[in-house]
Amino acid sequence: AQSVAQPEDQVNVAEGNPLTVKCTYSVSGNPYLFWYVQYPNRGLQFLLKYITGDNLVKGSYGFEAEFNKSQTSFHLKKPSALVSDSALYFCAVRDRGGGSYIPTFGRGTSLIVHP
Amino acid sequence: EPEVTQTPSHQVTQMGQEVILRCVPISNHLYFYWYRQILGQKVEFLVSFYNNEISEKSEIFDDQFSVERPDGSNFTLKIRSTKLEDSAMYFCASTPAGTGVLQPQHFGDGTRLSIL
Repeated sequence: AQSVAQPEDQVNVAEGNPLTVKCTYSVSGNPYLFWYVQYPNRGLQFLLKYITGDNLVKGSYGFEAEFNKSQTSFHLKKPSALVSDSALYFCAVRDRGGGSYIPTFGRGTSLIVHP
Repeated sequence: EPEVTQTPSHQVTQMGQEVILRCVPISNHLYFYWYRQILGQKVEFLVSFYNNEISEKSEIFDDQFSVERPDGSNFTLKIRSTKLEDSAMYFCASTPAGTGVLQPQHFGDGTRLSIL
């Protein structure tokens, strides 16, 4: 079985400060990992993914995420937050060795960037 | 950039009625999906569709639900005899051909379904 946890319902950060949105996962094999962002009244938009290779993955809008196998984590980061980054962020995982091709999504973390 | 489009944006229906939610996936995509998101909760997978048949479905996708690709562009989700707990945002998504299972999903903006 595959699962993903986003331990924080909400993250608050001041504009210009670094931000981190946490994600941990559980799979029986090796993971494929994804981050998506959802703006109000919109569908999910892809930010970045980890399939294999470098543990540090760079994505859209200056976001990056680091795959840490020993900690089973895939935290989303950005060096300097913008007010426009305020949105709902979803982590997703798929077990590379699993029978399903469908990723499991986390509950989402609301990021609020204050001016 | 091509987009997944969904209609209507908001559907209000009486309990017990049937609804059809419509999606136009990106034209060269071959894998299609429906998800739902109950207000304030996580995104839940309903069904995936490839090569004109269901490839995977979740426990949520029971006999009340069905999907269809009636022509070369539309992908529909039908909910028969709707219940109050069917009220949610329903998202359609698609991924391209080839290594589609590794590709990120492209989501539409959703249909908000309200059951009265």
